[in-house]
Amino acid sequence: DVKVTQSSRYLVKRTGEKVFLECVQDMDHENMFWYRQDPGLGLRLIYFSYDVKMKEKGDIPEGYSVSREKKERFSLILESASTNQTSMYLCASSPAGATSSYNEQFFGPGTRLTVL
Amino acid sequence: SQELEQSPQSLIVQEGKNLTINCTSSKTLYGLYWYKQKYGEGLIFLMMLQKGGEEKSHEKITAKLDEKKQQSSLHITASQPSHAGIYLCGALGSPSNTGKLIFGQGTTLQVKP
Repeated sequence: DVKVTQSSRYLVKRTGEKVFLECVQDMDHENMFWYRQDPGLGLRLIYFSYDVKMKEKGDIPEGYSVSREKKERFSLILESASTNQTSMYLCASSPAGATSSYNEQFFGPGTRLTVL
Repeated sequence: SQELEQSPQSLIVQEGKNLTINCTSSKTLYGLYWYKQKYGEGLIFLMMLQKGGEEKSHEKITAKLDEKKQQSSLHITASQPSHAGIYLCGALGSPSNTGKLIFGQGTTLQVKP
């Protein structure tokens, strides 16, 4: 089975802190994604990466950065955490492929981040 | 940009009742995915639809894709408490290999015993 793991299930940080959220997948997937999920807004894409050291902005990249130094690991960084970044953060991965049958995304369990 | 609208936003049904959740796209669907999420957890893949008119079933859940209407429906027959959770539809924004999906806002389902 594909496994996507996230470093923490729950995290509490203070305003202004630098926060690292880590995601690791074990299926050699090319694509990796970071979403945040808020009530009534669904999942919104923050950043995605389609290869090592490659990244593209999603719909809401402001206040975030990412790092992908190895294929299996994709990190989300909050440079200076703010209270409006309190949210559920979900990581996902998928294999590359031109047809939609390759595009199923496998999700991690999520990290619930609270910024005080 | 493409948007997915789910309806209803929330649903409370009595155990044993049937229900339908809809997902409507503002643009052409290249692939439509249904996921389920238990509260506070990650998303579990249910099924994926590609072709207009396609229908797939898994246990008591059936999903259909109406390509002409740019809409998909998820139907649960004889609902059980185990069906409770958040259902999300996701769609490919374009036929690319980056796998970037756009998601609806989700439908929260409660099943009363």
